[in-house]
Amino acid sequence: DTGVSQNPRHKITKRGQNVTFRCDPISEHNRLYWYRQTLGQGPEFLTYFQNEAQLEKSRLLSDRFSAERPKGSFSTLEIQRTEQGDSAMYLCASSLVWTSGGGSTDTQYFGPGTRLTVL
Amino acid sequence: KNEVEQSPQNLTAQEGEFITINCSYSVGISALHWLQQHPGGGIVSLFMLSSGKKKHGRLIATINIQEKHSSLHITASHPRDSAVYICAVRTSGSRLTFGEGTQLTVNP
Repeated sequence: DTGVSQNPRHKITKRGQNVTFRCDPISEHNRLYWYRQTLGQGPEFLTYFQNEAQLEKSRLLSDRFSAERPKGSFSTLEIQRTEQGDSAMYLCASSLVWTSGGGSTDTQYFGPGTRLTVL
Repeated sequence: KNEVEQSPQNLTAQEGEFITINCSYSVGISALHWLQQHPGGGIVSLFMLSSGKKKHGRLIATINIQEKHSSLHITASHPRDSAVYICAVRTSGSRLTFGEGTQLTVNP
């Protein structure tokens, strides 16, 4: 399977604990995105990377949240001191954007998501 | 008011019916995406368009930039089309802003 993968698929944790999620994008994709989706709502943008550089962060990404993409391949999203309001599906997506001629497909391919439940 | 509004929120149809889902947005965009989300969370990109119309199989997507409106049509609907359909717009950079989705149920 050469699609976007996320691990774990499900995570149950107690309030106050730290959690870390991993996303492996499609191998040649240079952009990686993190989104959060709560029940019955559309996804909300959290942050995105171009290669290893974090280019944009949403104001939703409080100081308890940190994302990294150290080698420009996989990415991790860490939530510290989890709260019940953090319970959601965390989605990762990747895309290929090239700069020569300004071209872009920017079709984002989504992973299956990590469902976080904070008790 | 959300920047991206979809209607209807829920739609139930009989197999074979022609279905239309609407999306209106209030911001300047560089592209609009239609996505399909099945139970369990998996999201599939159906279309990305910035003008005109695109067709893929039984799915047709149109966009009117002046009116800031897009529609997704499904012809000859089938129970396997049952899913949540999400409209998303690309504004600055690569950030996507999503609508809340339309839950479609197609009964046999």
